[in-house]
Amino acid sequence: GENVEQHPSTLSVQEGDSAVIKCTYSDSASNYFPWYKQELGKGPQLIIDIRSNVGEKKDQRIAVTLNKTAKHFSLHITETQPEDSAVYFCAASETGNTPLVFGKGTRLSVIA
Amino acid sequence: NAGVMQNPRHLVRRRGQEARLRCSPMKGHSHVYWYRQLPEEGLKFMVYLQKENIIDESGMPKERFSAEFPKEGPSILRIQQVVRGDSAAYFCASSPGQGAGAKNIQYFGAGTRLSVL
Repeated sequence: GENVEQHPSTLSVQEGDSAVIKCTYSDSASNYFPWYKQELGKGPQLIIDIRSNVGEKKDQRIAVTLNKTAKHFSLHITETQPEDSAVYFCAASETGNTPLVFGKGTRLSVIA
Repeated sequence: NAGVMQNPRHLVRRRGQEARLRCSPMKGHSHVYWYRQLPEEGLKFMVYLQKENIIDESGMPKERFSAEFPKEGPSILRIQQVVRGDSAAYFCASSPGQGAGAKNIQYFGAGTRLSVL
């Protein structure tokens, strides 16, 4: 079955700097790669996703890149703000409808 | 448009009791998923249901756990004879279903935090 590895487990950046979180996956059948943000005591919130027919997707300060050959994908947050502080999870699945396999999460702290 | 609704938000049970967790999907969504999150860990898939059908229960423990999504009403995750190891946050997600293409995204509820004393 699918296995998703996520690094780093914790990340501290100064406000205004960029943050990068990386994930690798094992199953070449995976074609859908969402990223979720989870704040304390809340459920995961989708922030961006990418499907295997594109290599990069951007939404304002957030971008995701995908390398299907190497089986890795990354989240990039630019101009970080204190409200970006949260736990971020990557995930992989065959389609958006199939069960997601999650990484273990990255706790991002943005220091003002 | 209301999001995925889960209740209760917090549930305390003593060992041996039953826990019933409820999930109402987003309006128009016909697919429901249950995930479990242990402290400081990622979410682990448990079960995937459509109305009146279990599609994939490969992540569900074989004993004490069951799930349903009836024609009417919310999806229910039931844990019988709870043990301390069942203490976790249980999240429900929903998606539109077949034919929605790029809109097939899983939206999560706020979760039920189960504590077993």
